Amino acid sequence: DGGITQSPKYLFRKEGQNVTLSCEQNLNHDAMYWYRQDPGQGLRLIYYSQIVNDFQKGDIAEGYSVSREKKESFPLTVTSAQKNPTAFYLCASSGRSDSPLHFGNGTRLTVT
Amino acid sequence: AQSVAQPEDQVNVAEGNPLTVKCTYSVSGNPYLFWYVQYPNRGLQFLLKYITGDNLVKGSYGFEAEFNKSQTSFHLKKPSALVSDSALYFCAVREPPGGSYIPTFGRGTSLIVHP
Repeated sequence: DGGITQSPKYLFRKEGQNVTLSCEQNLNHDAMYWYRQDPGQGLRLIYYSQIVNDFQKGDIAEGYSVSREKKESFPLTVTSAQKNPTAFYLCASSGRSDSPLHFGNGTRLTVT
Repeated sequence: AQSVAQPEDQVNVAEGNPLTVKCTYSVSGNPYLFWYVQYPNRGLQFLLKYITGDNLVKGSYGFEAEFNKSQTSFHLKKPSALVSDSALYFCAVREPPGGSYIPTFGRGTSLIVHP
Protein backbone atom coordinates (compact mmCIF):
# COMPACT_ATOMS: atom_id res chain seq x y z
CA ASP A 1 0.00 0.00 0.00
CA GLY A 2 1.22 3.47 -0.80
CA GLY A 3 1.54 5.91 2.01
CA ILE A 4 3.59 8.28 4.05
CA THR A 5 5.50 7.15 7.14
CA GLN A 6 6.72 9.29 9.99
CA SER A 7 9.03 8.03 12.68
CA PRO A 8 9.29 7.88 15.57
CA LYS A 9 5.75 8.36 16.88
CA TYR A 10 7.02 9.82 20.18
CA LEU A 11 10.32 11.58 20.74
CA PHE A 12 11.80 12.98 23.94
CA ARG A 13 14.82 15.24 24.02
CA LYS A 14 16.65 17.49 26.41
CA GLU A 15 16.76 21.21 25.78
CA GLY A 16 19.74 22.22 23.67
CA GLN A 17 19.85 19.06 21.59
CA ASN A 18 19.08 18.89 17.89
CA VAL A 19 16.65 16.20 16.82
CA THR A 20 15.68 14.84 13.38
CA LEU A 21 12.20 13.66 12.47
CA SER A 22 11.88 11.19 9.62
CA CYS A 23 9.33 11.35 6.78
CA GLU A 24 9.22 8.84 3.92
CA GLN A 25 6.64 8.45 1.14
CA ASN A 26 6.17 5.87 -1.58
CA LEU A 27 3.41 7.72 -3.44
CA ASN A 28 5.77 9.14 -6.07
CA HIS A 29 4.68 12.64 -5.07
CA ASP A 30 6.84 15.59 -6.03
CA ALA A 31 5.71 17.94 -3.24
CA MET A 32 6.31 17.38 0.46
CA TYR A 33 5.47 19.52 3.47
CA TRP A 34 6.15 19.84 7.20
CA TYR A 35 3.52 21.26 9.52
CA ARG A 36 3.51 21.99 13.21
CA GLN A 37 0.29 21.55 15.18
CA ASP A 38 -0.32 23.12 18.57
CA PRO A 39 -3.64 22.97 20.43
CA GLY A 40 -6.07 25.57 19.11
CA GLN A 41 -3.69 26.84 16.43
CA GLY A 42 -4.44 24.59 13.49
CA LEU A 43 -1.61 23.67 11.12
CA ARG A 44 1.35 25.96 10.59
CA LEU A 45 3.66 25.40 7.64
CA ILE A 46 7.35 24.98 8.50
CA TYR A 47 8.99 24.03 5.19
CA TYR A 48 7.92 22.66 1.85
CA SER A 49 9.61 21.14 -1.18
CA GLN A 50 8.34 20.90 -4.73
CA ILE A 51 11.23 18.90 -6.19
CA VAL A 52 14.37 17.12 -5.13
CA ASN A 53 17.21 19.37 -3.92
CA ASP A 54 14.89 22.34 -3.56
CA PHE A 55 12.86 23.53 -0.57
CA GLN A 56 11.28 26.74 0.67
CA LYS A 57 10.60 28.26 4.06
CA GLY A 58 7.05 28.30 5.30
CA ASP A 59 5.49 30.58 7.88
CA ILE A 60 7.47 29.39 10.92
CA ALA A 61 10.85 28.14 9.59
CA GLU A 62 13.05 29.72 12.26
CA GLY A 63 14.82 27.05 14.32
CA TYR A 64 14.14 24.29 11.80
CA SER A 65 16.05 22.84 8.85
CA VAL A 66 15.24 20.30 6.13
CA SER A 67 16.84 18.42 3.26
CA ARG A 68 15.41 16.82 0.13
CA GLU A 69 18.11 14.60 -1.32
CA LYS A 70 15.66 11.94 -2.49
CA LYS A 71 12.12 12.21 -3.80
CA GLU A 72 10.90 9.80 -1.15
CA SER A 73 12.43 11.47 1.89
CA PHE A 74 12.03 14.87 3.58
CA PRO A 75 13.57 14.84 7.08
CA LEU A 76 13.06 17.75 9.48
CA THR A 77 15.67 18.80 12.02
CA VAL A 78 14.52 20.74 15.05
CA THR A 79 17.53 22.69 16.21
CA SER A 80 18.40 24.09 19.61
CA ALA A 81 17.52 27.52 18.20
CA GLN A 82 13.83 26.65 18.16
CA LYS A 83 12.52 28.33 21.29
CA ASN A 84 9.45 26.20 21.89
CA PRO A 85 9.89 22.88 20.08
CA THR A 86 7.41 20.77 22.01
CA ALA A 87 4.59 20.08 19.52
CA PHE A 88 2.95 17.57 17.19
CA TYR A 89 4.71 17.49 13.80
CA LEU A 90 2.96 16.36 10.63
CA CYS A 91 4.52 15.52 7.29
CA ALA A 92 2.48 15.48 4.09
CA SER A 93 2.91 14.93 0.37
CA SER A 94 0.87 15.77 -2.69
CA GLY A 95 0.66 15.37 -6.40
CA ARG A 96 -1.26 17.80 -8.58
CA SER A 97 -2.95 20.87 -7.12
CA ASP A 98 -6.40 19.30 -7.50
CA SER A 99 -5.30 16.34 -5.38
CA PRO A 100 -5.54 16.21 -1.60
CA LEU A 101 -2.55 16.08 0.70
CA HIS A 102 -1.60 12.72 2.16
CA PHE A 103 -0.50 12.94 5.79
CA GLY A 104 1.65 10.78 7.97
CA ASN A 105 0.49 9.93 11.50
CA GLY A 106 2.73 12.50 13.08
CA THR A 107 5.58 12.67 15.56
CA ARG A 108 4.95 14.08 19.02
CA LEU A 109 8.11 15.80 20.21
CA THR A 110 8.60 16.68 23.85
CA VAL A 111 11.60 18.75 24.88
CA THR A 112 12.36 19.22 28.56
CA ALA B 1 -3.51 35.81 -0.72
CA GLN B 2 -5.74 32.87 -0.04
CA SER B 3 -7.35 32.30 3.34
CA VAL B 4 -9.79 29.99 5.06
CA ALA B 5 -12.02 30.68 8.04
CA GLN B 6 -13.73 28.13 10.25
CA PRO B 7 -15.83 30.37 12.49
CA GLU B 8 -16.65 27.75 15.12
CA ASP B 9 -13.99 26.26 17.38
CA GLN B 10 -16.45 23.59 18.50
CA VAL B 11 -19.73 22.15 17.26
CA ASN B 12 -21.94 20.03 19.50
CA VAL B 13 -24.68 17.81 18.08
CA ALA B 14 -26.76 14.90 19.35
CA GLU B 15 -26.34 11.51 17.72
CA GLY B 16 -28.83 11.05 14.90
CA ASN B 17 -29.21 14.78 14.26
CA PRO B 18 -27.84 16.52 11.17
CA LEU B 19 -24.51 18.27 11.50
CA THR B 20 -22.90 21.23 9.76
CA VAL B 21 -19.32 22.43 10.07
CA LYS B 22 -18.81 25.82 8.49
CA CYS B 23 -16.03 27.02 6.21
CA THR B 24 -15.57 30.22 4.23
CA TYR B 25 -12.68 31.03 1.95
CA SER B 26 -10.96 33.81 0.05
CA VAL B 27 -8.93 33.08 -3.07
CA SER B 28 -8.11 34.59 -6.45
CA GLY B 29 -9.91 32.74 -9.17
CA ASN B 30 -11.71 29.45 -8.82
CA PRO B 31 -10.82 27.59 -5.65
CA TYR B 32 -9.89 24.00 -5.05
CA LEU B 33 -11.53 23.14 -1.70
CA PHE B 34 -10.92 20.21 0.63
CA TRP B 35 -12.17 18.80 3.92
CA TYR B 36 -10.04 16.64 6.19
CA VAL B 37 -10.72 14.86 9.48
CA GLN B 38 -8.22 14.25 12.28
CA TYR B 39 -8.62 11.76 15.11
CA PRO B 40 -6.51 12.12 18.29
CA ASN B 41 -2.78 11.62 17.79
CA ARG B 42 -3.22 10.83 14.10
CA GLY B 43 -2.59 12.60 10.82
CA LEU B 44 -5.29 14.26 8.75
CA GLN B 45 -7.43 12.07 6.51
CA PHE B 46 -9.01 13.36 3.31
CA LEU B 47 -12.83 13.44 3.29
CA LEU B 48 -13.87 15.18 0.10
CA LYS B 49 -13.02 17.90 -2.39
CA TYR B 50 -14.57 20.38 -4.76
CA ILE B 51 -12.70 21.16 -7.95
CA THR B 52 -15.43 21.94 -10.48
CA GLY B 53 -18.88 20.80 -11.52
CA ASP B 54 -21.77 19.91 -9.23
CA ASN B 55 -21.88 22.17 -6.18
CA LEU B 56 -22.82 19.27 -3.89
CA VAL B 57 -19.95 16.86 -3.43
CA LYS B 58 -20.13 13.56 -1.58
CA GLY B 59 -17.25 12.04 0.31
CA SER B 60 -16.21 9.38 2.78
CA TYR B 61 -18.25 8.17 5.78
CA GLY B 62 -21.50 9.76 4.54
CA PHE B 63 -20.20 13.32 4.57
CA GLU B 64 -21.04 15.85 1.90
CA ALA B 65 -20.26 19.51 1.29
CA GLU B 66 -21.92 22.27 -0.63
CA PHE B 67 -19.90 24.78 -2.62
CA ASN B 68 -21.52 28.23 -2.69
CA LYS B 69 -19.61 30.64 -4.88
CA SER B 70 -21.67 33.74 -4.03
CA GLN B 71 -21.18 33.20 -0.30
CA THR B 72 -17.62 31.86 -0.73
CA SER B 73 -18.52 28.95 1.51
CA PHE B 74 -17.92 25.23 1.57
CA HIS B 75 -19.80 23.85 4.57
CA LEU B 76 -19.43 20.21 5.57
CA LYS B 77 -22.64 18.33 6.29
CA LYS B 78 -23.96 14.94 7.33
CA PRO B 79 -27.64 14.03 7.58
CA SER B 80 -27.30 11.88 10.72
CA ALA B 81 -24.35 12.22 13.09
CA LEU B 82 -22.64 9.30 14.78
CA VAL B 83 -20.67 9.36 18.04
CA SER B 84 -17.72 8.06 16.01
CA ASP B 85 -17.81 11.26 13.92
CA SER B 86 -16.40 13.13 16.93
CA ALA B 87 -13.06 14.49 15.73
CA LEU B 88 -11.27 17.62 14.53
CA TYR B 89 -12.25 18.84 11.06
CA PHE B 90 -10.16 21.03 8.79
CA CYS B 91 -11.14 22.96 5.69
CA ALA B 92 -8.40 23.79 3.17
CA VAL B 93 -8.10 25.77 -0.07
CA ARG B 94 -5.62 25.64 -2.93
CA GLU B 95 -5.44 27.90 -5.93
CA PRO B 96 -5.70 26.32 -9.39
CA PRO B 97 -2.58 25.95 -11.56
CA GLY B 98 -0.88 29.30 -12.00
CA GLY B 99 -1.51 30.34 -8.42
CA SER B 100 0.04 29.22 -5.17
CA TYR B 101 -0.05 25.44 -4.93
CA ILE B 102 0.54 25.62 -1.18
CA PRO B 103 -2.70 24.73 0.60
CA THR B 104 -4.05 26.99 3.31
CA PHE B 105 -5.83 25.32 6.23
CA GLY B 106 -8.44 26.67 8.57
CA ARG B 107 -7.83 26.49 12.32
CA GLY B 108 -10.03 23.43 12.69
CA THR B 109 -13.41 22.75 14.26
CA SER B 110 -13.85 20.20 17.00
CA LEU B 111 -17.02 18.18 16.41
CA ILE B 112 -18.52 16.52 19.46
CA VAL B 113 -21.42 14.14 18.93
CA HIS B 114 -23.29 13.30 22.12
CA PRO B 115 -24.95 9.90 22.56
